[in-house]
Amino acid sequence: QKEVEQDPGPLSVPEGAIVSLNCTYSNSAFQYFMWYRQYSRKGPELLMYTYSSGNKEDGRFTAQVDKSSKYISLFIRDSQPSDSATYLCAMPSRGGSNYKLTFGKGTLLTVNP
Amino acid sequence: EPEVTQTPSHQVTQMGQEVILRCVPISNHLYFYWYRQILGQKVEFLVSFYNNEISEKSEIFDDQFSVERPDGSNFTLKIRSTKLEDSAMYFCASSPQGASAPQYFGPGTRLTVT
Repeated sequence: QKEVEQDPGPLSVPEGAIVSLNCTYSNSAFQYFMWYRQYSRKGPELLMYTYSSGNKEDGRFTAQVDKSSKYISLFIRDSQPSDSATYLCAMPSRGGSNYKLTFGKGTLLTVNP
Repeated sequence: EPEVTQTPSHQVTQMGQEVILRCVPISNHLYFYWYRQILGQKVEFLVSFYNNEISEKSEIFDDQFSVERPDGSNFTLKIRSTKLEDSAMYFCASSPQGASAPQYFGPGTRLTVT
């Protein structure tokens, strides 16, 4: 079983829709969860960073964590064409004196005007 | 807002040649990373670096790879003898803390090995 699974999509929605993006993970050692946005041929851009189970809101974005189910979600409200990108979930795990990120494969989102 | 920068943005090289990819992490960050992303695949961890030494390296990071922090600002990834399968986007990242703090990524260097 892969450590982090993410439906690659593609996902296509009309402007203004609510978008739901999800990841599941198998490693119970994952305690922190990040969502990155990646535009084509660009670097991942940090969107959300969460630790505890429950919801965290930042503008139009809400991150949700359910540790009991090993399931995380990112919701985008009032989606805009500029939200069109690949969304990556990532989880840090310890390696030596440092942490490394394990990424999902990413979900490609297109928001149509 | 401070950001991670990387040069060059695109590097084309012939198989067997050495390449050096350069990164300038965010200035007060202490932890540095390299990741790579082969086209259409997930972002993969290569190596982490702290206090002038490697903290962890992945199976991908074999003897052909090395990292260095030659001065107070630059962080480099060297591939000694490139192979076709090294063609990928290489991302540098930095973090203010090691304890699972967020990592901030640069724009990447696209490496094409011919």
